[in-house]
Amino acid sequence: AQSVTQLGSHVSVSEGALVLLRCNYSSSVPPYLFWYVQYPNQGLQLLLKYTSAATLVKGINGFEAEFKKSETSFHLTKPSAHMSDAAEYFCAVTRRDDKIIFGKGTRLHILP
Amino acid sequence: DGGITQSPKYLFRKEGQNVTLSCEQNLNHDAMYWYRQDPGQGLRLIYYSQIVNDFQKGDIAEGYSVSREKKESFPLTVTSAQKNPTAFYLCASADTNTGELFFGEGSRLTVL
Repeated sequence: AQSVTQLGSHVSVSEGALVLLRCNYSSSVPPYLFWYVQYPNQGLQLLLKYTSAATLVKGINGFEAEFKKSETSFHLTKPSAHMSDAAEYFCAVTRRDDKIIFGKGTRLHILP
Repeated sequence: DGGITQSPKYLFRKEGQNVTLSCEQNLNHDAMYWYRQDPGQGLRLIYYSQIVNDFQKGDIAEGYSVSREKKESFPLTVTSAQKNPTAFYLCASADTNTGELFFGEGSRLTVL
């Protein structure tokens, strides 16, 4: 069975500092991995996805994530946080033709 | 523009009334999903459909019903049997080649 664990339900960083949101997954076969972002009272939008091509994936708004098979991780990073990055972030895993499994989400707070 | 349209955005109902939330997509996706979102609980799967005229229960199907008579449409009915229906409801469709989900803007249901 697949599962996703996001470490930290809330993360606070100062504006301009590094953003690191952690995601670990379990999957018996090579997975597809995703990061989604959700702003208040809106749906989720895709930040980036890994589908077995390059292990370093670049997404929108300056975010990127690295697939590390040995660590079963897919952590999300951004070099310099902006106030507009404040949102909830969800990591997700799936396999082809299977349901997608979401983590419980991490709310990112940006401190001025 | 291709996408997922949910309506209404906000809905207020009295206890004991059934409510139907609309979800329409023009992405030509076979698979569609309904999720419920409560603060701090991430996304919980209510029902999903992988093809027209077929659907399966998710993790929290009790008190909900769906239909899938057309590829484009996947309405969700919140019945009076649902004990705590106040929540944010998200509809999504899936690209089954990559597993990526495309979300609507959500419907916030408040039961008074």
